[in-house]
Amino acid sequence: DADVTQTPRNRITKTGKRIMLECSQTKGHDRMYWYRQDPGLGLRLIYYSFDVKDINKGEISDGYSVSRQAQAKFSLSLESAIPNQTALYFCATSDLWTGRTGELFFGEGSRLTVL
Amino acid sequence: AQTVTQSQPEMSVQEAETVTLSCTYDTSENNYYLFWYKQPPSRQMILVIRQEAYKQQNATENRFSVNFQKAAKSFSLKISDSQLGDTAMYFCASPFQGAQKLVFGQGTRLTINP
Repeated sequence: DADVTQTPRNRITKTGKRIMLECSQTKGHDRMYWYRQDPGLGLRLIYYSFDVKDINKGEISDGYSVSRQAQAKFSLSLESAIPNQTALYFCATSDLWTGRTGELFFGEGSRLTVL
Repeated sequence: AQTVTQSQPEMSVQEAETVTLSCTYDTSENNYYLFWYKQPPSRQMILVIRQEAYKQQNATENRFSVNFQKAAKSFSLKISDSQLGDTAMYFCASPFQGAQKLVFGQGTRLTINP
């Protein structure tokens, strides 16, 4: 089983719908991140969390919210999805040790299509 | 703002050839690591190689090596004896804010042809 698991892997939804992407990890890492990937733009940071009570906005947080339900779980919500939120979303983790270097461990990605 | 630039959106080479992917970055960090990640069609993000900025010696992992030019803030990836399985998107990444976050380049789509 993957150390960082994202659900769903693929999702098609309609404009205005609320969507939640979930991430769980068994690595025991305290830091968790949500990135989105768009062609030609690479990966951009949406939100990150260093522990359950520490949540921070990334560079493109507008239109998104997150919840850190436990050390191992970090979910991303789109309250009212719009077509330009169509993208590949990645959850990633690191810990205090690997975090010294910045290295991230990624889930398998969630492909979201908003029609 | 922290930036990472990959100036080659796409590259294509024949199997067994050597290919170099370019990356430049802009950081104010004094002590940092740089990374190359590979994303094959399975879309999984896989760490290829990391470079410690305070080490002058270029990192090497089997067929993968880097050319790290700290003063020029350049961090290129060289793939020797390329294989069909090297076909993927490659992303360069640099830490930001004391390694709290990673900033990624735009990516280079590499195709290895038989």
